Amino acid sequence: NAGVTQTPKFRILKIGQSMTLQCTQDMNHNYMYWYRQDPGMGLKLIYYSVGAGITDKGEVPNGYNVSRSTTEDFPLRLELAAPSQTSVYFCAGGQGPYEQYFGPGTRLTVT
Amino acid sequence: GENVEQHPSTLSVQEGDSAVIKCTYSDSASNYFPWYKQELGKGPQLIIDIRSNVGEKKDQRIAVTLNKTAKHFSLHITETQPEDSAVYFCAASKVGAGGTSYGKLTFGQGTILTVHP
Repeated sequence: NAGVTQTPKFRILKIGQSMTLQCTQDMNHNYMYWYRQDPGMGLKLIYYSVGAGITDKGEVPNGYNVSRSTTEDFPLRLELAAPSQTSVYFCAGGQGPYEQYFGPGTRLTVT
Repeated sequence: GENVEQHPSTLSVQEGDSAVIKCTYSDSASNYFPWYKQELGKGPQLIIDIRSNVGEKKDQRIAVTLNKTAKHFSLHITETQPEDSAVYFCAASKVGAGGTSYGKLTFGQGTILTVHP
């Protein structure tokens, strides 16, 4: 997966709990993205970053926050988890705005 | 915003046959169209992409065609093999001069391709 790693692989949260999904890349990607994939659906962009200290909202940012303090790390924070956030989360990175290389994903269940 | 429609949702072929997956997009300003393959339990993998200044691109058994006027693009897989079985996603984005619009991809809904031996 071109050096994009995600942790954890699986997580079960109770409603109202919070957690951070970790994403790290060692390919010097300037651009990084967070997507969610609901069952039987395509991926939807949550947040993205074009460099350290620069982040912006994607299509479905509500309920999430991100930070980009270093080039390598792009964590996704869920505050007050809701059942609607049950999904598979993918982090991706790229040198520029074209090719994106995805991590293996985090499967999150909120009950 | 951009909307990408993908068809068919499922596709079943015999080994050796060809497979074609089609996508349409709504935003005429979109200019980058990648295709991803996703195997069970894994992240999407980029298999081929095309930019709007090109009408067709090939890579061994895989080709992508783009019709900007009609706003649709297609993935063609020839001589299919069982290992081609996976979910395929098309996507579209606008990349402006200097990298603006930042590669924000809009994905289609996916096509489950099954290749029978």
